[in-house]
Amino acid sequence: AQKITQTQPGMFVQEKEAVTLDCTYDTSDQSYGLFWYKQPSSGEMIFLIYQGSYDEQNATEGRYSLNFQKARKSANLVISASQLGDSAMYFCAMREGSRSGGFKTIFGAGTRLFVKA
Amino acid sequence: NAGVTQTPKFQVLKTGQSMTLQCAQDMNHEYMSWYRQDPGMGLRLIHYSVGAGITDQGEVPNGYNVSRSTTEDFPLRLLSAAPSQTSVYFCATRAPGANVLTFGAGSRLTVL
Repeated sequence: AQKITQTQPGMFVQEKEAVTLDCTYDTSDQSYGLFWYKQPSSGEMIFLIYQGSYDEQNATEGRYSLNFQKARKSANLVISASQLGDSAMYFCAMREGSRSGGFKTIFGAGTRLFVKA
Repeated sequence: NAGVTQTPKFQVLKTGQSMTLQCAQDMNHEYMSWYRQDPGMGLRLIHYSVGAGITDQGEVPNGYNVSRSTTEDFPLRLLSAAPSQTSVYFCATRAPGANVLTFGAGSRLTVL
């Protein structure tokens, strides 16, 4: 069965420092996609970054990068130069690859990040 | 272009009452889904649909019904609400061939 595990319920980081949020996944599919979403205190879900299972390069989007280690089944999010506005809940997610499964997306439990001034 | 619209934003029910959470999209997305968000548990998939007339169960389908008679709408029905269904509900859609989900603003449901 597909599963996403985020083992860090909460994380603190000093402003301007880098932080890594951990995510491991389990799937038997060869083709799948991995995502990170941000949920600020206002509640909306904001897409940050996507990595396809066949992508050889790690995805990057501005200050966000996804450290994809396929053999270890990990997809950690790295935020460089943290800002106060990065304080939020972060969710790792996986879209399964099978058409029979509807390409549905499942989420981890989330990590709450606190950025200290 | 309104994106994904969820109504109502807030609702309080008594145990045993029924209600429908509405989700509408104007982007012609084939894929639509419902999640519930509970503290410490992330977002859990309730039901999803890959097109009109096709629905399937997600991770936590019990207590919820869905139907998909049109591409635009994907209502979530609670036939007999229970306190365990107190949660924030999100509708999410996806364009054909796309990877990223587009979320509605969420609906906060409290069952007393």
